[in-house]
Amino acid sequence: EVQLVESGGGLVQPGGSLRLSCAASGFSFSKYWMHWVRQAPGKGLVWVSRIIGDGSSTRYADSVKGRFTISRDNAKNTLYLQMNSLRAEDTAMYYCARGGWLSMDVWGKGTTVTVSS
Amino acid sequence: EIVLTQSPGTLSLSPGERATLSCRASQSVNSSYLAWYQQKPGQAPRLLIYAASSRATGIPDRFSDSGSGTDFTLTISRLEPEDFAVYYCQLYGSSPEWTFGQGTKVEIK
Repeated sequence: EVQLVESGGGLVQPGGSLRLSCAASGFSFSKYWMHWVRQAPGKGLVWVSRIIGDGSSTRYADSVKGRFTISRDNAKNTLYLQMNSLRAEDTAMYYCARGGWLSMDVWGKGTTVTVSS
Repeated sequence: EIVLTQSPGTLSLSPGERATLSCRASQSVNSSYLAWYQQKPGQAPRLLIYAASSRATGIPDRFSDSGSGTDFTLTISRLEPEDFAVYYCQLYGSSPEWTFGQGTKVEIK
């Protein structure tokens, strides 16, 4: 069964850091682009970042550029999102998603990040 | 930057009715770069349609899409109880590379 399981969310103070993980199983992880997408409470979906299969290319939304870093460990079938200089507006559910054909075809259940003092 | 605008914000319909959801791009786009997702409360989004009318695995044929240029439509031919949810369109572009519309909620009338 194809599965993505996020972890690492929690409560962090403004200016703090957090690292999210996404464990993949049931497919050839290294062959796929991977994404992080977030959703603030009661709001819509917002793309955060993506990384290609071998990790050599990454892209970020302007709102997180310079603060967040996406990476992957293909030997561990795991995707990461290092989040630094966190702000209240980063509070959201964070989903990892597998890249399909110009889309996101498999999603995890998400992990919640709350930035508050 | 391409912006996707979905309308209406909320669609109130009864089971068995036809739902027509709009997604408008701020400039002309390749229809193959557009996808649609469904999200139910407390759940992750689910891919419905991608690459110009290709339905994702397990998606019933009552879901279809159409459109070109700047105007795209997701149609649910006959609403089933499980179809009441929020629907998002998404575009693969350049800057930002991936964009979502703000969503349309389909609620029971």
